[in-house]
Amino acid sequence: DAEITQSPRHKITETGRQVTLACHQTWNHNNMFWYRQDLGHGLRLIHYSYGVQDTNKGEVSDGYSVSRSNTEDLPLTLESAASSQTSVYFCASSPQGRITDTQYFGPGTRLTVL
Amino acid sequence: QKEVEQDPGPLSVPEGAIVSLNCTYSNSAFQYFMWYRQYSRKGPELLMYTYSSGNKEDGRFTAQVDKSSKYISLFIRDSQPSDSATYLCAMTNNAGNMLTFGGGTRLMVKP
Repeated sequence: DAEITQSPRHKITETGRQVTLACHQTWNHNNMFWYRQDLGHGLRLIHYSYGVQDTNKGEVSDGYSVSRSNTEDLPLTLESAASSQTSVYFCASSPQGRITDTQYFGPGTRLTVL
Repeated sequence: QKEVEQDPGPLSVPEGAIVSLNCTYSNSAFQYFMWYRQYSRKGPELLMYTYSSGNKEDGRFTAQVDKSSKYISLFIRDSQPSDSATYLCAMTNNAGNMLTFGGGTRLMVKP
């Protein structure tokens, strides 16, 4: 079955380290998204991509980067992890650019920055 | 001031009750309104969406949009313990595929 996976599911790191969170989908969706979820803030968009080689900044992109070298993967990199980036990170994908296309979410990565 | 406001709850109801979940928003450009359900330690999943004002029904779930008041609601009839989850509203305008989410309301349905 097609799916969207994230790895690792849990990560503890130290301030200043570079961290990469993986997202892989097997639906061949063009659109992929990264969100963070924090208590009281809901889901906030970090970066998104509408296709290979396309990346765009979302609402809270500072300190994060993404690259899209193929359709299936959109890794999220924290260049120098900060305690404020402790959060649960969700990756999502959707087929096309239609607004009503469902975004399918991965299971999430819980990141703790000490 | 957040663009989308949602009472975090928790909202605790007995099994069989009618549940009302609500969001208010400030951006009049929002045209599409979605409700996502998120079980504990899982990713959100889309329940239903509506366009502009009006009602939409899907089984035990009814979504209402009142654009004049910038207020949307999700009603759950005959609530079940399996409905216990966090419900997130999300909305977007006509321009693109970016969603703005509310903070979510945690619902607990007691048997």
